[in-house]
Amino acid sequence: GDSVTQTEGQVTVSESKSLIINCTYSATSIAYPNLFWYVRYPGEGLQLLLKVITAGQKGSSRGFEATYNKETTSFHLQKASVQESDSAVYYCALSEISGSFNKLTFGAGTRLAVCP
Amino acid sequence: AQTIHQWPVAEIKAVGSPLSLGCTIKGKSSPNLYWYWQATGGTLQQLFYSITVGQVESVVQLNLSASRPKDDQFILSTEKLLLSHSGFYLCAWSLTGGSAETLYFGSGTRLTVL
Repeated sequence: GDSVTQTEGQVTVSESKSLIINCTYSATSIAYPNLFWYVRYPGEGLQLLLKVITAGQKGSSRGFEATYNKETTSFHLQKASVQESDSAVYYCALSEISGSFNKLTFGAGTRLAVCP
Repeated sequence: AQTIHQWPVAEIKAVGSPLSLGCTIKGKSSPNLYWYWQATGGTLQQLFYSITVGQVESVVQLNLSASRPKDDQFILSTEKLLLSHSGFYLCAWSLTGGSAETLYFGSGTRLTVL
């Protein structure tokens, strides 16, 4: 089946430093799945950060960027300068139609802690 | 604006006891609804999917069931809880079932089975 592998556990970054959270995927049913980054801030529900549905394209939101690389099957999340408010859990995900419904497959999540 | 409300926020239950978790979506008619579950240390897994009232599809078998009694309500339940049911349950909705659709999630229910 489909799978998503992302940077494990917790990442700690000092404020104003750069960030990269790695994400690679494997999609068995279709060549080019849709790719997403979701985020869960403390005390809040999971919400969409950005998505890219076309291979080779880049998505961006709130200073974060991710490029859909079909050659390396990767969708790494990057930010040039993190802020304390970016502390959250980040999930990489892919989606495809499975039978009659939209199936979203998530990675295990990466907790980002930004230190002042 | 659409809102999604999950209840309860947290539950501590005994093995073998029944369970009912709920989810209500306001401000959107005929949404697609989903239940997701994350075991401690595990990944989010899609459990159920519903495109309309009375119709629910199971994605993963976990000795749980789901029902959609109203257009805006999605219920997750079981008659006998297992230790393995512990974890974090999330309800979500989308406009359609398209694979590029954004899912909108509730704040979740933390379930501890002892």
